[in-house]
Amino acid sequence: AQSVTQLDSHVSVSEGTPVLLRCNYSSSYSPSLFWYVQHPNKGLQLLLKYTSAATLVKGINGFEAEFKKSETSFHLTKPSAHMSDAAEYFCVVSASNSGNTPLVFGKGTRLSVIA
Amino acid sequence: NAGVTQTPKFRVLKTGQSMTLLCAQDMNHEYMYWYRQDPGMGLRLIHYSVGEGTTAKGEVPDGYNVSRLKKQNFLLGLESAAPSQTSVYFCASRALGTEAFFGQGTRLTVV
Repeated sequence: AQSVTQLDSHVSVSEGTPVLLRCNYSSSYSPSLFWYVQHPNKGLQLLLKYTSAATLVKGINGFEAEFKKSETSFHLTKPSAHMSDAAEYFCVVSASNSGNTPLVFGKGTRLSVIA
Repeated sequence: NAGVTQTPKFRVLKTGQSMTLLCAQDMNHEYMYWYRQDPGMGLRLIHYSVGEGTTAKGEVPDGYNVSRLKKQNFLLGLESAAPSQTSVYFCASRALGTEAFFGQGTRLTVV
């Protein structure tokens, strides 16, 4: 079984300050992990993915995440927030080698960026 | 490539009416999924398919049926719509071990 916990439902940061969105996962299999972003009234866009290669993963728009197996975490970070980063972010887990285990979403973290 | 296409994009139904949502993908993906998104709930899996002719229940399957007669299409049916099914519905597809590609969503309102 798999599950994802996003530890904050809402994060608010000032423009130019660092962003940290926290995600913990549980998986019976070797996991694949993803972060997706959803801007208001839009679809879902892939930010980055971990699929058992390098543990530090770089994504689009300056975001990165680090896979820590010992902590079962996959936190998303960005050094400097931009107004355009305001959106909903979803952490997602799946088994890396089994298609029978579908993608499981966290409940999301809404990021607000204050000017 | 179109990727994942959902039709329709918007729909208003009366309670008790039926409808079918169509998801089409042109990436030859084996795996397809239907999710619903409600405020504060993230995306919850309704049904999914691991290949042509196969379907399986997800987290919230009640009130929905699905079919995957062709590899590229995954249909989601509501036999008798209820106000609790008011939601935004997303279809996704992927290959084994890769990320999922999502459609743009269908906003369904049941009155």
